[in-house]
Amino acid sequence: GAVVSQHPSRVICKSGTSVKIECRSLDFQATTMFWYRQFPKQSLMLMATSNEGSKATYEQGVEKDKFLINHASLTLSTLTVTSAHPEDSSFYICSASDPSAPWSYTFGSGTRLTVV
Amino acid sequence: DAKTTQPPSMDCAEGRAANLPCNHSTISGNEYVYWYRQIHSQGPQYIIHGLKNNETNEMASLIITEDRKSSTLILPHATLRDTAVYYCIVRVAVVGGYQKVTFGTGTKLQVIP
Repeated sequence: GAVVSQHPSRVICKSGTSVKIECRSLDFQATTMFWYRQFPKQSLMLMATSNEGSKATYEQGVEKDKFLINHASLTLSTLTVTSAHPEDSSFYICSASDPSAPWSYTFGSGTRLTVV
Repeated sequence: DAKTTQPPSMDCAEGRAANLPCNHSTISGNEYVYWYRQIHSQGPQYIIHGLKNNETNEMASLIITEDRKSSTLILPHATLRDTAVYYCIVRVAVVGGYQKVTFGTGTKLQVIP
């Protein structure tokens, strides 16, 4: 089945630095990918829709200058958390849909970000 | 997308069937019912989906009421590895996969030895 690879799985960074998270579709092309954030004991919250070759679409309340999304190829989307602060510590998850099976969005394994 | 209501938590004995309910009374005629689950600290996993007929795959069965206002996900023989949060989502099906998926609070299923 479709596989979405997310890297890194865990990252610890100092406050004020930037962190890049990669999301790759391994065996299919994804013109659209989605980025979610999940705080402990809460559900997934959609942050933005990543579109290959164009600007991402951000959900209300998500700062586009803080969470930079780049979708430069049909298999790679990146999320950069800029000037990270402790409140940005969270579980970040990406997803994509294989065009041959559009009903079953495939999710990455997630990235645990801890800002100290 | 139609709103869904799920119980916050459920327990199930190992080896027994787990029946997870979902209410979606405002569902539209072109909206499907999808189920995903999320095992702790992992990304969500697709389980099954359906429109109005009951569906079954290797993971689970989906029973949708005739009026489509509610559904039940059935794990026929729950194992400890089925302990997870289960999300019921209602949305239209989109060819090309461009539509975003919005998650509710889900049901935390605890399978007990």
